[in-house]
Amino acid sequence: NAGVTQTPKFQVLKTGQSMTLQCAQDMNHEYMSWYRQDPGMGLRLIHYSVGAGITDQGEVPNGYNVSRSTTEDFPLRLLSAAPSQTSVYFCASSYYGLEATQYFGPGTRLTVL
Amino acid sequence: AQSVTQLGSHVSVSEGALVLLRCNYSSSVPPYLFWYVQYPNQGLQLLLKYTTGATLVKGINGFEAEFKKSETSFHLTKPSAHMSDAAEYFCAVRRDSNYQLIWGAGTKLIIKP
Repeated sequence: NAGVTQTPKFQVLKTGQSMTLQCAQDMNHEYMSWYRQDPGMGLRLIHYSVGAGITDQGEVPNGYNVSRSTTEDFPLRLLSAAPSQTSVYFCASSYYGLEATQYFGPGTRLTVL
Repeated sequence: AQSVTQLGSHVSVSEGALVLLRCNYSSSVPPYLFWYVQYPNQGLQLLLKYTTGATLVKGINGFEAEFKKSETSFHLTKPSAHMSDAAEYFCAVRRDSNYQLIWGAGTKLIIKP
């Protein structure tokens, strides 16, 4: 099992550019989530999904879009990157809920200039 | 608003010494509490969690935590630190309203030889 994989590992964008962060899991988990991690702030939930075709907003959803067409994949789209979106992004999956054990990917470090 | 407070952004202990990482939370219902660990350049992984039942919870790598309702605390301990314990540790509580997690800001554990 590869677990949760994320690509790319590093990315530099210019303000206004768009991009998609990829996330995939091979554990057949229903729940998938995107978090951002900023220094001194812990993790904040951006969006999550409770199954294919179902997504919902977390606490910091503005500027991000998600979709979930398959159980395995949960991409995160930045529509028009801003310097405030400079962060480390983690994708996670869990079997039955956000309060269940979450399995995290290795992260994507994004810098927006 | 619900919150999680981790006392000390950095904690330094000598190899072989007791590790104590502090976490206080707020919740108006019986809490679900978590400790996750993040090793350098990796995603987070679950150390241990409290849901119901025994208040002393044992986790991986010799760590344990005790839920103390009267003190609203969930401190993480390990009797004897090892160099491999150097990492960042995050405490989290399940949000009362929607089962999402509220994360503490993290404590970086430094092990001195």
